[in-house]
Amino acid sequence: AQKITQTQPGMFVQEKEAVTLDCTYDTSDQSYGLFWYKQPSSGEMIFLIYQGSYDEQNATEGRYSLNFQKARKSANLVISASQLGDSAMYFCAMREGSQGAQKLVFGQGTRLTINP
Amino acid sequence: DAGVIQSPRHEVTEMGQEVTLRCKPISGHNSLFWYRQTMMRGLELLIYFNNNVPIDDSGMPEDRFSAKMPNASFSTLKIQPSEPRDSAVYFCASSWGQVSNQPQHFGDGTRLSIL
Repeated sequence: AQKITQTQPGMFVQEKEAVTLDCTYDTSDQSYGLFWYKQPSSGEMIFLIYQGSYDEQNATEGRYSLNFQKARKSANLVISASQLGDSAMYFCAMREGSQGAQKLVFGQGTRLTINP
Repeated sequence: DAGVIQSPRHEVTEMGQEVTLRCKPISGHNSLFWYRQTMMRGLELLIYFNNNVPIDDSGMPEDRFSAKMPNASFSTLKIQPSEPRDSAVYFCASSWGQVSNQPQHFGDGTRLSIL
């Protein structure tokens, strides 16, 4: 079974609009972490934001925020005021277990295109 | 600060040849990961090390693949003999493994083409 599901293969958004990228996950662990990465066309993987399962508040990093709904097992990435440079692949990933269990499982990604 | 350094950036070789990919993790990081990215299978974890010790190699495709980490600042991923289906982008990543919220930092990847 898929542990991380990203249901949107591609999204097209107008510049300056907000965009939400969906991510649902499947785990029976109580302790886990969720990460979002950006992969531009140049190919590198850039860490964006992290949400721990015990974090009470949604994570925020500049224009990035995470809409974490634990009961629904979703961790959607919200990008506010989108920019042309936000065009890229975005990957959601999950780390299961407590400290020391470092394995990340990635979703298939969403390709975001920002239109001028 | 220097990030994760991978070499070579691109490698084109003929089927049957040995391929060695190299990785220098971020100084101070004690966990190192090797991933493979393809269109069909996405990002797959091949193997990871904690404190230079292999912890989980369940993602290594077959015996043709091997990975070593002789010290805290260097790791290799070797494919011998290489096959066209090994063509992919191979990423190395490192993290400080003792704290759960620490992200993995990725190198720029090696784009491998096996002809």
